[in-house]
Amino acid sequence: AQTVTQSQPEMSVQEAETVTLSCTYDTSESDYYLFWYKQPPSRQMILVIRQEAYKQQNATENRFSVNFQKAAKSFSLKISDSQLGDAAMYFCAYKGGNNFNKFYFGSGTKLNVKP
Amino acid sequence: NAGVMQNPRHLVRRRGQEARLRCSPMKGHSHVYWYRQLPEEGLKFMVYLQKENIIDESGMPKERFSAEFPKEGPSILRIQQVVRGDSAAYFCASSPPKAGTSTEAFFGQGTRLTVV
Repeated sequence: AQTVTQSQPEMSVQEAETVTLSCTYDTSESDYYLFWYKQPPSRQMILVIRQEAYKQQNATENRFSVNFQKAAKSFSLKISDSQLGDAAMYFCAYKGGNNFNKFYFGSGTKLNVKP
Repeated sequence: NAGVMQNPRHLVRRRGQEARLRCSPMKGHSHVYWYRQLPEEGLKFMVYLQKENIIDESGMPKERFSAEFPKEGPSILRIQQVVRGDSAAYFCASSPPKAGTSTEAFFGQGTRLTVV
């Protein structure tokens, strides 16, 4: 079974600094996708970034980038130039294999941004 | 184009009552998923439906929980005889007909169910 692990329940970062959120996953499948979702207090799940497993190049979306290490099954999220609006829960998620329609989520990391 | 609409946002039920949670997918989307988020946890898959069909219900509790997505109208997640352990946020997500692995699911804002 696929599992997604986020080992940092809570992180803090100073405004304008950089922070990295960790995620590891376990799978025997070769074809899959990885996602980072942001959940602010409003509870809305917002897609931050996605990575296709077959692509070696790390995905980047403005201030958000990932460090995808397929062999190590690691998928960390780096947030550069942190802003107060980045404060939220961040969830790592996996989807793939035979069941392309089911997400497996980690337990989340709460990110605090200090002014 | 409105996003995924869930209602109500908050629902309070007494133990033993029934809870009905509604989800209207994005326009043009025919795939609906329900997830449950317990406090301090990530979202857990419950069920995947297409119009009039349950495709995967491997995450649904065996008793008291049911889901439907009729030809017309919203998808309904129904919880009978609720217990305190059912208190959680329930999220609905939708995707278009030809959704593949890469397609993100568009999530609603969730319904927070509180059982008192």
